[in-house]
Amino acid sequence: QQQVKQSPQSLIVQKGGISIINCAYENTAFDYFPWYQQFPGKGPALLIAIRPDVSEKKEGRFTISFNKSAKQFSLHIMDSQPGDSATYFCAAGLGATNKLIFGTGTLLAVQP
Amino acid sequence: DAGVIQSPRHEVTEMGQEVTLRCKPISGHDYLFWYRQTMMRGLELLIYFNNNVPIDDSGMPEDRFSAKMPNASFSTLKIQPSEPRDSAVYFCASRTGTAAYGYTFGSGTRLTVV
Repeated sequence: QQQVKQSPQSLIVQKGGISIINCAYENTAFDYFPWYQQFPGKGPALLIAIRPDVSEKKEGRFTISFNKSAKQFSLHIMDSQPGDSATYFCAAGLGATNKLIFGTGTLLAVQP
Repeated sequence: DAGVIQSPRHEVTEMGQEVTLRCKPISGHDYLFWYRQTMMRGLELLIYFNNNVPIDDSGMPEDRFSAKMPNASFSTLKIQPSEPRDSAVYFCASRTGTAAYGYTFGSGTRLTVV
């Protein structure tokens, strides 16, 4: 019940296209849903986050869509660029425990 | 701000040896987390501290693993004895108590046990 399931495992998108990564969770107690971006040799860095009382959050080319009833959330990267090529992790936070549970990651490659 | 600093960046050791990984959190951050990243299991939380006190170590895989935080600016993760299956990238992250889940990760230590 603590798991966060992420798909796809890898994704190839053409420059200018839309990248979509999906995550699902079971525990309805999760109260924070961040996305992290990781470049090779670096630690994950917070990209964008949403709380379950909001259905969508947009920051520049990055949008989180959140479906509370389906217990799913997704990351959309509009106008994908080669510089977006990285591994993306979704996560779910449980306030009472201060923990973040991470998905297994999606390796995104944006081809020029 | 130099961010979360981890050392060493790479560690290669022989099976059975003791390994110590080090972390300096961001000044003022009162939560510190140790994660392990592998291809098979992704990012796993091993242990976290609040105000230098271990709060949850349920993710520590075995008694061979131990972590300490003697003061607010330093933490160690020790593996003794090390085994090849411990090979992974180990990340340290920190955050303030008021920043919800705004973790800042270090660049990690890549551990290889041969």
